[in-house]
Amino acid sequence: NAGVTQTPKFRILKIGQSMTLQCTQDMNHNYMYWYRQDPGMGLKLIYYSVGAGITDKGEVPNGYNVSRSTTEDFPLRLELAAPSQTSVYFCASSYGHPNTGELFFGEGSRLTVL
Amino acid sequence: AQTVTQSQPEMSVQEAETVTLSCTYDTSESDYYLFWYKQPPSRQMILVIRQEAYKQQNATENRFSVNFQKAAKSFSLKISDSQLGDAAMYFCAYRSTFGNEKLTFGTGTRLTIIP
Repeated sequence: NAGVTQTPKFRILKIGQSMTLQCTQDMNHNYMYWYRQDPGMGLKLIYYSVGAGITDKGEVPNGYNVSRSTTEDFPLRLELAAPSQTSVYFCASSYGHPNTGELFFGEGSRLTVL
Repeated sequence: AQTVTQSQPEMSVQEAETVTLSCTYDTSESDYYLFWYKQPPSRQMILVIRQEAYKQQNATENRFSVNFQKAAKSFSLKISDSQLGDAAMYFCAYRSTFGNEKLTFGTGTRLTIIP
């Protein structure tokens, strides 16, 4: 059971480039999330999805896009990368309510924009 | 909107001693979940302990226990018999039982274990 898998683990981008962070989970979870973690800070929600075909913005969605065509996959797209997007990105998933409340996290993807 | 506050950016404790990490939160809801997550240098977020707000009994997981004070909106984590492997960032988090059920995180406490 792989849980939540993110790729790539590390990436360096130039300003203005685009890329997609991949996230897949094999636990049949309905809910999926993308968070970013800046140095010394907690995690902030970028986008989330409550099921295939449904996505919504979190606290810091600007500069990002997501899609959810299947239950398993929730890719995060960065368009026109900026230095402010240098961060560690975490994908997470969970069951819907009622449930244990726990989110399961991937190992994170460190992105640097130069 | 809910907020989570961790007022201790850094803490240190002698190996085998006990340490308490503080967390307060703000919410108007009566039913919710609270969590402590551990983030070691590997970056992986690991669930340490969870508490359901409707349960009065404090959660316990081996050396980890919480002091949940619902009226005071306080949720502290006690680590007993501290071990070198406990060194990490610890995040307190809140999750509503309604809506999108996202986790709201505090800013974290960096725990150092002194051998």
